[in-house]
Amino acid sequence: SQQGEEDPQALSIQEGENATMNCSYKTSINNLQWYRQNSGRGLVHLILIRSNEREKHSGRLRVTLDTSKKSSSLLITASRAADTASYFCATAYYGQNFVFGPGTRLSVLP
Amino acid sequence: SQTIHQWPATLVQPVGSPLSLECTVEGTSNPNLYWYRQAAGRGLQLLFYSVGIGQISSEVPQNLSASRPQDRQFILSSKKLLLSDSDFYLCAWSRGSPDVLTFGAGSRLTVL
Repeated sequence: SQQGEEDPQALSIQEGENATMNCSYKTSINNLQWYRQNSGRGLVHLILIRSNEREKHSGRLRVTLDTSKKSSSLLITASRAADTASYFCATAYYGQNFVFGPGTRLSVLP
Repeated sequence: SQTIHQWPATLVQPVGSPLSLECTVEGTSNPNLYWYRQAAGRGLQLLFYSVGIGQISSEVPQNLSASRPQDRQFILSSKKLLLSDSDFYLCAWSRGSPDVLTFGAGSRLTVL
């Protein structure tokens, strides 16, 4: 399967701490994206990183991509209770549609 | 700006009844359109995608079908619902593939 896999499946941290989620995939990709989903809602795009990029930042988000290891990480710094959600990586393969991983459920405790 | 509308948000249907979920996109033309399915606590499974009017590609065999009668309208249907069709369904659009997906708010379907 080409499906990406997020790790860990669930993560619980205190407000103010950093949260790190990882995504691994199997074949060459065009780009990798991270999405967020609040319970019972649609997904919201967070950040896109292309295969020729190694790191991108957006506010408190930092995404890295290591194509040699076929992995990516999403770091949320100084987390807030409002960051509680599920986070998904989606890998875009050349000529094919996105493949979503099962997600990481993040709980940020006040 | 572009917006995506999906309805109904919640639907409770008896087994054997028909289904119609509708999705429309505003503010863009010729979008790629997608229907995803999500089981509770799980990732997304792509059901159908469309690159143009009347062009539908199916990713997995389902008791479901999709249609694109207009450029910015995407409909998910079933003639007879099964209990196993209960899930959360999401519509999305993108300018191309691969590109950023913009999702609707989702439709929670419960088949009893």
